[in-house]
Amino acid sequence: NAGVTQTPKFRVLKTGQSMTLLCAQDMNHEYMYWYRQDPGMGLRLIHYSVGEGTTAKGEVPDGYNVSRLKKQNFLLGLESAAPSQTSVYFCASSYYRYTNTGELFFGEGSRLTVL
Amino acid sequence: GQQVMQIPQYQHVQEGEDFTTYCNSSTTLSNIQWYKQRPGGHPVFLIQLVKSGEVKKQKRLTFQFGEAKMNSSLHITATQTTDVGTYFCAGRIQGAQKLVFGQGTRLTINP
Repeated sequence: NAGVTQTPKFRVLKTGQSMTLLCAQDMNHEYMYWYRQDPGMGLRLIHYSVGEGTTAKGEVPDGYNVSRLKKQNFLLGLESAAPSQTSVYFCASSYYRYTNTGELFFGEGSRLTVL
Repeated sequence: GQQVMQIPQYQHVQEGEDFTTYCNSSTTLSNIQWYKQRPGGHPVFLIQLVKSGEVKKQKRLTFQFGEAKMNSSLHITATQTTDVGTYFCAGRIQGAQKLVFGQGTRLTINP
């Protein structure tokens, strides 16, 4: 099993450009999440999804959109990239609910630089 | 704002010394999870604590969940160079669906 796969792993954008990060999981997990990681800030939740066709806002949703058209995929979009969105982005998935098995399985990360 | 605070932000120890990181929440948690992230890597799940006052051990690692379920700690006995990395706590606020991560404690070790 591949687990959680993120593409691309690296990307450089110019301010104002758009892009989409793709997350795919093969564990049949219900829950999927997008986090960003910045130095000294830990992991901050951008958006999450509790099932196919559903999405919800996390702590820092502004400037991002997401879609979960298929259970195994969770897309993160930047419509007009800004330098403040330079970060490492992690996708994660989990089985059913937090209070059960609940552990998060993370992808390897996508490093995005916005010039 | 950040509801789960983790201290210290950085810790440097000599190999063989002990290490502790603390996690404090402003509200009661349903459960708390701990993750380890090696330099350049992604977070990897270590353990989940659910019960008030729970203590769990994994070899040299000891995890505690406070009686009030508002704080937690991770203690490593006799650190080894393989322990290098950033340790994150992640708490589930009661009634919420999502986890809130602490800022992490970055551990470096002098061999």
